Amino acid sequence: EAQVTQNPRYLITVTGKKLTVTCSQNMNHEYMSWYRQDPGLGLRQIYYSMNVEVTDKGDVPEGYKVSRKEKRNFPLILESPSPNQTSLYFCASSSRGGQANTEAFFGQGTRLTVV
Amino acid sequence: AQSVTQLDSQVPVFEEAPVELRCNYSSSVSVYLFWYVQYPNQGLQLLLKYLSGSTLVKGINGFEAEFNKSQTSFHLRKPSVHISDTAEYFCAVSEPGGYSTLTFGKGTMLLVSP
Repeated sequence: EAQVTQNPRYLITVTGKKLTVTCSQNMNHEYMSWYRQDPGLGLRQIYYSMNVEVTDKGDVPEGYKVSRKEKRNFPLILESPSPNQTSLYFCASSSRGGQANTEAFFGQGTRLTVV
Repeated sequence: AQSVTQLDSQVPVFEEAPVELRCNYSSSVSVYLFWYVQYPNQGLQLLLKYLSGSTLVKGINGFEAEFNKSQTSFHLRKPSVHISDTAEYFCAVSEPGGYSTLTFGKGTMLLVSP
């Protein structure tokens, strides 16, 4: 089954304690991205990756890092989380190519609370 | 740069009534358009997409949307809603020819009551 898997689904942490949210896809997609979803703001892109070792900033990259060492994995790293990073996070992947492949597949989401 | 405006943050409707969720976009180039649905505590799921061709697009669960280039709109419609359609709906746009970077609207919460 084609899927994007995020872990953990829920996470409560304290300010300043480094954390990583993992994302893995089994569709051999080149393109992966991270979004955060906040009430009234919709989804905003944090970082994206066009392929292995190629990453770039999205609209709200401050306070986040990513890496793309393997095609299937795209972890999101918060080196020093702060309360304003409390949010619902989604990982997504899609395939480069023709029109039929423009659908983005989303993970189930990670609800992060920073206290 | 592209942007998406969803004009209603919340749309309450009674079961079996018709509904329209509005979406307008701005872009300097041609676009691909999408509607995604997010059920409570779940990720986003694609409802339908417009890439080219017929401006009336049919999706899953009885939804359809019409692309109107002159109005720069892509409104989502359903002739008769069910309680199970209660969810948040996101309109999104991307540009053809590259990777699928999606720009989302802020979402419209559809509340269906009996």
